Amino acid sequence: DAKTTQPPSMDCAEGRAANLPCNHSTISGNEYVYWYRQIHSQGPQYIIHGLKNNETNEMASLIITEDRKSSTLILPHATLRDTAVYYCIVLRTGRRALTFGSGTRLQVQP
Amino acid sequence: GAGVSQTPSNKVTEKGKYVELRCDPISGHTALYWYRQSLGQGPEFLIYFQGTGAADDSGLPNDRFFAVRPEGSVSTLKIQRTERGDSAVYLCASSPSRQGETQYFGPGTRLLVL
Repeated sequence: DAKTTQPPSMDCAEGRAANLPCNHSTISGNEYVYWYRQIHSQGPQYIIHGLKNNETNEMASLIITEDRKSSTLILPHATLRDTAVYYCIVLRTGRRALTFGSGTRLQVQP
Repeated sequence: GAGVSQTPSNKVTEKGKYVELRCDPISGHTALYWYRQSLGQGPEFLIYFQGTGAADDSGLPNDRFFAVRPEGSVSTLKIQRTERGDSAVYLCASSPSRQGETQYFGPGTRLLVL
């Protein structure tokens, strides 16, 4: 699976959009981009995933660049409960094991 | 409905002892995963079951670690001759394979080896 690079930490004001970047420049055509988050003392939680088209669900939006070398997770209106470590994961089709990096620690400020 | 549950939530043991960690997946989920998370790091894959069989155990660090899922639901992770370096949070996840790779995680078991 392709390696991902994320900033170690970010801050965001409550109510504003949080934009979390991820670089995956070695991604292959059959690899998906997944985002999970982990709130303190809890297990990781699935957020969203995509292959090449932008995706949106009730939690977030995922924007993948046309060359697929990077992506951005957008939380449109961050709340204090969104404070967590966010992991960007690239996963090859058919592979099961998730490879977590160090993630981005998002701190939402009141 | 009920999520993935793990017991115990905390386990303290002494170096050299044997421990068992239990995972109850979401009902109907055929895939089950074990991960280990050391302090300050992301989770690290250990083993994946599809039904009763271990489909991928490439993440088990050594032969002191073993996992079973005899009836295709509950799984037990077994660690023999525990070492202080085994101290970590052990996470279990399950997924309905037909939905791809979305994995639902339990709260984890925090293992401390003294």
